[in-house]
Amino acid sequence: DADVTQTPRNRITKTGKRIMLECSQTKGHDRMYWYRQDPGLGLRLIYYSFDVKDINKGEISDGYSVSRQAQAKFSLSLESAIPNQTALYFCATSDPRRYQETQYFGPGTRLLVL
Amino acid sequence: ELKVEQNPLFLSMQEGKNYTIYCNYSTTSDRLYWYRQDPGKSLESLFVLLSNGAVKQEGRLMASLDTKARLSTLHITAAVHDLSATYFCAVEENSGYALNFGKGTSLLVTP
Repeated sequence: DADVTQTPRNRITKTGKRIMLECSQTKGHDRMYWYRQDPGLGLRLIYYSFDVKDINKGEISDGYSVSRQAQAKFSLSLESAIPNQTALYFCATSDPRRYQETQYFGPGTRLLVL
Repeated sequence: ELKVEQNPLFLSMQEGKNYTIYCNYSTTSDRLYWYRQDPGKSLESLFVLLSNGAVKQEGRLMASLDTKARLSTLHITAAVHDLSATYFCAVEENSGYALNFGKGTSLLVTP
């Protein structure tokens, strides 16, 4: 089983709709992140969380909100979706206690807003 | 604001050839990461470079870090088709909370 899972994997929605993307991890990591990837732009950070009670905005948080329901779950919501939120969304986790810490990425959610 | 620039953004190379991808960043950092992404797939960690002068090698890929020059390189030796992918470098700001990614280098290795 994958260590970081995302649901749904693909989603089509209409402008103005509220949608939620979910991320779960079995790695036992405290830190979780949401990124979006647009063609030719790399990944940009939306929100990050260092633990259940610590949630922070990233570079491009406008139009998004998050919820850290438990150590293992971090959800991203689009309150009122707009077409320029069409992108590939990745959840990631990391463990700062490990010296050679890297971030582990989920499989991604491809979102299309019509 | 930390900026990360990769070049080239697109690279087509023949099998058996060598090439280097460059990653420059704008502010002080001691932690740099390289990731690989296959089309339609997630990101896979390749290297974590944690100090000036760090060099790591895995197969035909070798990564290095020069923190004084704010430069990392990813060197490809004797390329093979399986290395075709997009390669990202990412730099962690010294505040230590998140990664700043370059735009990625799309590598195509042809026969």
